[in-house]
Amino acid sequence: EPEVTQTPSHQVTQMGQEVILRCVPISNHLYFYWYRQILGQKVEFLVSFYNNEISEKSEIFDDQFSVERPDGSNFTLKIRSTKLEDSAMYFCASSEVSGTEQFFGPGTRLTVL
Amino acid sequence: AQSVTQPDIHITVSEGASLELRCNYSYGATPYLFWYVQSPGQGLQLLLKYFSGDTLVQGIKGFEAEFKRSQSSFNLRKPSVHWSDAAEYFCAVVPSGGYQKVTFGTGTKLQVIP
Repeated sequence: EPEVTQTPSHQVTQMGQEVILRCVPISNHLYFYWYRQILGQKVEFLVSFYNNEISEKSEIFDDQFSVERPDGSNFTLKIRSTKLEDSAMYFCASSEVSGTEQFFGPGTRLTVL
Repeated sequence: AQSVTQPDIHITVSEGASLELRCNYSYGATPYLFWYVQSPGQGLQLLLKYFSGDTLVQGIKGFEAEFKRSQSSFNLRKPSVHWSDAAEYFCAVVPSGGYQKVTFGTGTKLQVIP
């Protein structure tokens, strides 16, 4: 069964460093998303991406964040200068059609020291 | 304001007992509704979904959920809980009409005692 994959599973970084989280969505899906879950809290939407551009973003997704689909398979989330409060689990998701079921990856746990 | 509420933060049930997890939403029109499960340290697995039609939906692992428009609810049920069901359960909604952002509830942590 096709699935969304994410790498790395755990990333540790120093405050102020740049990190790139990688995702491979399901191959025939056209819509891509990033969510985050701070420990003990609910899952929060960050951004959605379609046709090589951001289609929706939350107030969390500020100038420190960017997304890219550098090739036909990967979808990345870059945090330019990490802060302690960026420590969270980051989930990538994809869907075939907008507004329907999203399939989530296993997540990348980001720890900012 | 649009919201998803899971009033129970933590529920403990005995193995073999029945389970109901509550979810209420507040949206202008009926959204698309989902239940996800998250085991410790794991990702989010879709249990079931409701878009339209039959208000009782069946999902994986023996779970079902009932959509009640009059109560703006989408409660998750299982007739007999297994120890492996211990996890956190999230109700989630997407506004109908092609919107993309999934809004999650705060989650209900299920503990199963032998």
